[in-house]
Amino acid sequence: EAAVTQSPRSKVAVTGGKVTLSCHQTNNHDYMYWYRQDTGHGLRLIHYSYVADSTEKGDIPDGYKASRPSQENFSLILELASLSQTAVYFCATGAVSNERLFFGHGTKLSVL
Amino acid sequence: GQQVQQSPASLVLQEGENAELQCNFSSTATRLQWFYQRPGGSLVSLLSNPSGTKHTGRLTSTTVTKERRGSLHISSSQITDSGTYLCAMATGGNNKLTFGQGTVLSVIP
Repeated sequence: EAAVTQSPRSKVAVTGGKVTLSCHQTNNHDYMYWYRQDTGHGLRLIHYSYVADSTEKGDIPDGYKASRPSQENFSLILELASLSQTAVYFCATGAVSNERLFFGHGTKLSVL
Repeated sequence: GQQVQQSPASLVLQEGENAELQCNFSSTATRLQWFYQRPGGSLVSLLSNPSGTKHTGRLTSTTVTKERRGSLHISSSQITDSGTYLCAMATGGNNKLTFGQGTVLSVIP
């Protein structure tokens, strides 16, 4: 089974502070994604990457940056955290040849 | 933008009953994917279906792309099936997905 590890599992941040969420995969997938889920809603795509050192904007990129320094690692960066960014964040990976996505356990972020 | 609508929003079944979950989408999709989200939050990919009917275990996915709709049938529901079922549409080859808001399924004894 593919492994996608997110850290931290939960975080409390202050408004205006910087937050970095990390994702590490061991399955050598080309694609990595960051989604956010708000209570009672589906997932929305923030950023994604299909190769190291390159990232693409998803559907809701404003207020977020992404970094893919290697095949295995994909980070989501909130330079100036805001209350509206309180949500659960999921990282996912996928291979070009396989439609199935593998998700991490999620990071619960609370911005106060 | 692209939209995915799921119905019903919630469903309560007695153990052993069948469930039919619906998914409608607003633009041309290359495939629909169904995910199960456990009460604790983790997500599992169930089925990916570009068109027609696919089966796995007690799950049957039907996708009719021309009519912009799909469904997930769960037969002989079990208590452990309880959770949220998410439908997502893909519109290209990069696995970018647009998710619906989910159907919360509760299976009771």
